Amino acid sequence: AQSVTQLGSHVSVSEGALVLLRCNYSSSVPPYLFWYVQYPNQGLQLLLKYTTGATLVKGINGFEAEFKKSETSFHLTKPSAHMSDAAEYFCAVRGDTGGFKTIFGAGTRLFVKA
Amino acid sequence: DADVTQTPRNRITKTGKRIMLECSQTKGHDRMYWYRQDPGLGLRLIYYSFDVKDINKGEISDGYSVSRQAQAKFSLSLESAIPNQTALYFCATSDHRGGADGYTFGSGTRLTVV
Repeated sequence: AQSVTQLGSHVSVSEGALVLLRCNYSSSVPPYLFWYVQYPNQGLQLLLKYTTGATLVKGINGFEAEFKKSETSFHLTKPSAHMSDAAEYFCAVRGDTGGFKTIFGAGTRLFVKA
Repeated sequence: DADVTQTPRNRITKTGKRIMLECSQTKGHDRMYWYRQDPGLGLRLIYYSFDVKDINKGEISDGYSVSRQAQAKFSLSLESAIPNQTALYFCATSDHRGGADGYTFGSGTRLTVV
């Protein structure tokens, strides 16, 4: 069965610094992987996804993630953090059983310091 | 208008009361889901529906029931609310491929049971 582990429930960076949010997954089949962002008082919004093809995927707001099969990782990065990036980020994998329901990680809250 | 609309946005109710949370979508998606979000626990699946006649329990269905009134409408009920059901509830939709393009979320209902 699939699972998702996000390393670090909280990450704090300074404005302008690199953002790195870590995600590891387990899957018995080639995975579909996602990152979602949740701003305060809002629902989750799809940030980017990997299905097949290019392993480096770009999303909205300057974020990107790289699928590394050998490391079973799908870390999210952004070269330069903005104050507006402060939010909670969820990594997710589409399941391979049970109708392909998506499995979500526990989330990482990103704080951006001025 | 939002693709996925949840009502109400906020609700305070008393222990033992019955309450219904409603969700409607304009995405034309077959699949709909109800999740609850608690701090540090991420998203947990309560119920899901692959079409109007196909409703399934998720990982935490005890104390909840659902109704899929139409392709576009999926309601969640708490038959007798208890304080530990205080949480943020999200409705989500996906296509028939199980979310290969990701899920679309509503803005959430913040429920407080006192």
